[in-house]
Amino acid sequence: AQKITQTQPGMFVQEKEAVTLDCTYDTSDQSYGLFWYKQPSSGEMIFLIYQGSYDEQNATEGRYSLNFQKARKSANLVISASQLGDSAMYFCAMREIQGAQKLVFGQGTRLTINP
Amino acid sequence: NAGVTQTPKFQVLKTGQSMTLQCAQDMNHEYMSWYRQDPGMGLRLIHYSVGAGITDQGEVPNGYNVSRSTTEDFPLRLLSAAPSQTSVYFCASSPRRAYNEQFFGPGTRLTVL
Repeated sequence: AQKITQTQPGMFVQEKEAVTLDCTYDTSDQSYGLFWYKQPSSGEMIFLIYQGSYDEQNATEGRYSLNFQKARKSANLVISASQLGDSAMYFCAMREIQGAQKLVFGQGTRLTINP
Repeated sequence: NAGVTQTPKFQVLKTGQSMTLQCAQDMNHEYMSWYRQDPGMGLRLIHYSVGAGITDQGEVPNGYNVSRSTTEDFPLRLLSAAPSQTSVYFCASSPRRAYNEQFFGPGTRLTVL
């Protein structure tokens, strides 16, 4: 069965600093996708970035990058030059490529950016 | 496009009542799913559908029913509400390709007294 682990319940970072949010996963599948979502206090789920298991390069989307280490089964989110608006819950998720393609979430990390 | 819409936004039920949470998408997505989010936790999959007429159970299906008669709609039925079903419910949709992100609705906050 798939499992996502986010070991940082909360993180506090100074504005403009870079921050890394940890995510490890467990799966027996060879093909899968990894996602990061942001959930601000307003509650909506916002897609940030995607990494496929066969992608050789780390995914990047603006200030977001995904540090993908397949052998370690980790998919850490890196936010460069953090902003006050980055304060939110962040969820790592994995989706199997074959079969039911269910999306499994981690428990999340609450990120607080201090001015 | 409206994307994924959910109604109602808020609902209070008494124990034992039944109700249906509505979900609709206008993106012609094959894949739709329902999640619940309890305080301080991630989202857990309740039921999902890979196309009209096809549904299956997720991680926490007990107490919930779904149907998918059209591509656009995927209602979630609570058969007999219990306080343990107090949660925020999210509906999501995506094309049936796993590298696509799921698009989420705004959520329904349900309280069962």
